[in-house]
This record gives sequence, structure tokens and C-alpha cells, in this order.
Amino acid sequence: GAGVSQSPSNKVTEKGKDVELRCDPISGHTALYWYRQSLGQGLEFLIYFQGNSAPDKSGLPSDRFSAERTGGSVSTLTIQRTQQEDSAVYLCASSFYAGGSGNTIYFGEGSWLTVV
Amino acid sequence: AQSVTQLDSQVPVFEEAPVELRCNYSSSVSVYLFWYVQYPNQGLQLLLKYLSGSTLVKGINGFEAEFNKSQTSFHLRKPSVHISDTAEYFCAVSGMDSSYKLIFGSGTRLLVRP
Repeated sequence: GAGVSQSPSNKVTEKGKDVELRCDPISGHTALYWYRQSLGQGLEFLIYFQGNSAPDKSGLPSDRFSAERTGGSVSTLTIQRTQQEDSAVYLCASSFYAGGSGNTIYFGEGSWLTVV
Repeated sequence: AQSVTQLDSQVPVFEEAPVELRCNYSSSVSVYLFWYVQYPNQGLQLLLKYLSGSTLVKGINGFEAEFNKSQTSFHLRKPSVHISDTAEYFCAVSGMDSSYKLIFGSGTRLLVRP
């Protein structure tokens, strides 16, 4: 498709289980971002990938969170031993170059995660 | 580091009335500024952005915003709103020293009533 694609769109998991969220960026985009949107909150930066450079992981809230980007394209965000406070919408975004310098960042529709 | 404050969590307004959504930012370096809109059950969409030059920026759907460096503000305005403008609006900032990292405000829900 033409936009950023995320799967699953909705995920309900039991506390303590691991989850994987997938993001397929727009073709040709070298920059990829993960953000988290909690209920009533703004978007919280999690991680940024740019080409083959080391990712900026400074926003990951704990060591239960990790992300990888294979082949410079698809990315997977993994949350281990999920907790109820992990319930949120996880948004992926991509851009041609580093966002903020004028290149528009395009967002996916998000993966709604509910931990019960 | 940067931060963004959107003082109003919700703004109700009647159709065809003007609206202003407020955004203030904090940064120790020069910044780029953005407004995004999120319609119900949709992803975020860029409304407009300020990079440099003219402080009055025009975006899609008749929205505009003005960068005021002395007041560290980037308020969003529209002279006449429509029902279809009902959505969540997010202000975001990135520092020119780390321009890839967008920092978002908590959002303002614009509720347009007939």
C-alpha cells in the first residue's frame, strides 16, 4: 500500500505475555519511528531508526521494550512480560530523511494494545 | 531538550465560528514546529509546519499558525470551522540539533457543534 502499514490493528493480551507489533514503512523511506499514545496523553517518542545508523533508543521506557529493523525496511516492536500500563496505541511513522528538518513524517493508524 | 504545552484539552466551538488552539514550547535551541491532526479512528496527518522564514504558516483545510519566538508560541487558527474539523490536534516541536525527534503536546480536542 501507499501508506505506513501496522499490524495487528488491535491486540488484547494477558499480563506477563510477550507481544510483537509490526510496522511496514512507506517504500523508500529511510527513517522509521515508534511512538506511544496513552489514553488522554500526547505521543511519547520511543525509538528512531535511520538507515544503517545505530538507532536512538532513548525513549524506550524499560528494558522490556525492544525494537529492530530488518533490511532497512520492516520494523518490529517487542514488549516482553507485558504490564497493564503498557496498554496504549503504538504508532509507527516513516520519512525520507530525518524528520523535523522539513521532511514530512507519515504515521500509520497504530496498533491498539490492551493488557488484561 | 524540548517540551510542548497545549493548555486546552478540549475546545468546543459552534460551526462557522473562529477558533484558536494554543501551543507553547520550551527549548534551549532553535526549533521546527508542527501541527498534526488526528481524525477519529485515523492516523496523524500533518496540517502545517514552520521551518524558517515567514512566521505565518498556512496549512491544509484553511488552518494557519503563527510562530512567535518572543512568546515561544505557535497557535493554530481557523477563521470559520466546519463540523468535519472535529478531531484531536497535536502541536509538536523538534530541536534543530536533533531534528528527527518530534516532541508532542498532549493534544487538544476540537469539538465543533452545529
